[in-house]
Amino acid sequence: AQRVTQPEKLLSVFKGAPVELKCNYSYSGSPELFWYVQYSRQRLQLLLRHISRESIKGFTADLNKGETSFHLKKPFAQEEDSAMYYCALSRATGFQKLVFGTGTRLLVSP
Amino acid sequence: EAGVTQSPTHIIKTSGHQATLRCSPISGHTSVYWYQQALGLGLQFLLWYDEGEERNRGNFPPRFSGRQFPNYSSELNVNALELEDSALYLCASSRRGSPSFGSGTRLTVV
Repeated sequence: AQRVTQPEKLLSVFKGAPVELKCNYSYSGSPELFWYVQYSRQRLQLLLRHISRESIKGFTADLNKGETSFHLKKPFAQEEDSAMYYCALSRATGFQKLVFGTGTRLLVSP
Repeated sequence: EAGVTQSPTHIIKTSGHQATLRCSPISGHTSVYWYQQALGLGLQFLLWYDEGEERNRGNFPPRFSGRQFPNYSSELNVNALELEDSALYLCASSRRGSPSFGSGTRLTVV
């Protein structure tokens, strides 16, 4: 069964503090993992994917196959990072559908 | 490039009736995905169309159906509406790989 778990509904931090948004998954096979972000009144957009190994807006995420995790991290949070973050997975070979977690709302206070 | 467009932005229907939601993909994208975003449930996969064919279907009853037209645009039809169908319906499109999302159609069933 394919499942993505984001245990925190809300994560509240102060500006400049480190951020870690947790994501765990279960998948029988090789998955591809993604983070999507939805800023207020904007559409859902891709933040990063594990195969590209990029850092976008200071965020990084490392796929840990042993722990089946794909946590999103940023060393110093900014107020403009406040948004809804969704972790998602798909089949690695031959993209099909995305399976999403329930999302974590990140609130960065000044 | 123009993004994924969905219409209408908001629709109100009476329970037992039918709703039709429309989606125009990004030019060049052949796959269209439909997701339901109900309060507290995250994004639930509904349907995937590619090259005019239904490729995969989520765990939804048959009264949720759709189609993809030769120009790759798509319709989602929800028959015999129930109050629990009230949600934001998101369409996404892709060519190969991670999809781009539209702003959604909010369906309210009264």
